[in-house]
Amino acid sequence: SAVISQKPSRDICQRGTSLTIQCQVDSQVTMMFWYRQQPGQSLTLIATANQGSEATYESGFVIDKFPISRPNLTFSTLTVSNMSPEDSSIYLCSVAIEINSPLHFGNGTRLTVT
Amino acid sequence: AQRVTQPEKLLSVFKGAPVELKCNYSYSGSPELFWYVQYSRQRLQLLLRHISRESIKGFTADLNKGETSFHLKKPFAQEEDSAMYYCALSETSGSRLTFGEGTQLTVNP
Repeated sequence: SAVISQKPSRDICQRGTSLTIQCQVDSQVTMMFWYRQQPGQSLTLIATANQGSEATYESGFVIDKFPISRPNLTFSTLTVSNMSPEDSSIYLCSVAIEINSPLHFGNGTRLTVT
Repeated sequence: AQRVTQPEKLLSVFKGAPVELKCNYSYSGSPELFWYVQYSRQRLQLLLRHISRESIKGFTADLNKGETSFHLKKPFAQEEDSAMYYCALSETSGSRLTFGEGTQLTVNP
């Protein structure tokens, strides 16, 4: 399976600021996703990161709040914009190496907004 | 809409006892079902996928389409099995996953 590196692993941010989370994979992957895990809850898909085009967002998530980039097949970023305490969560990058392969997850970024 | 239900948020058993973590799903087509596990301070990792029909760390899971279930079972629980377990569903492998709420399993000595 691929090695997935997520940065930062954790951060404490002030309300109103933005944070960009990076996801780097050691090999080319077909699919990349961003998930959110709010405290005490399960994982919720934010969006599918599409290489070279706009991300596909799930209901309840918008590009202005969670802009995503995926410039190539090994790297993606998720920005959490204009943060509020409700954005305090773990954000996880997930990849599928190839079609019909299962998803693998990064270590996650634990974000606390004060 | 697809949905995954794990009715037990917490499950506690003694070492050596059998364990079953329940998972039910709703989906109109033929989904792929997975079990993911997260040990303390580790990343979420794949434990089982139904199409593999294999046993990992002594765990097995059988897809029951009639009951729309994918329960995870182990005949003899070990302390190192203590973790959070998530059942998940996707339309096909490699596509987005829908997760259940998770079951925290504790195996007591």
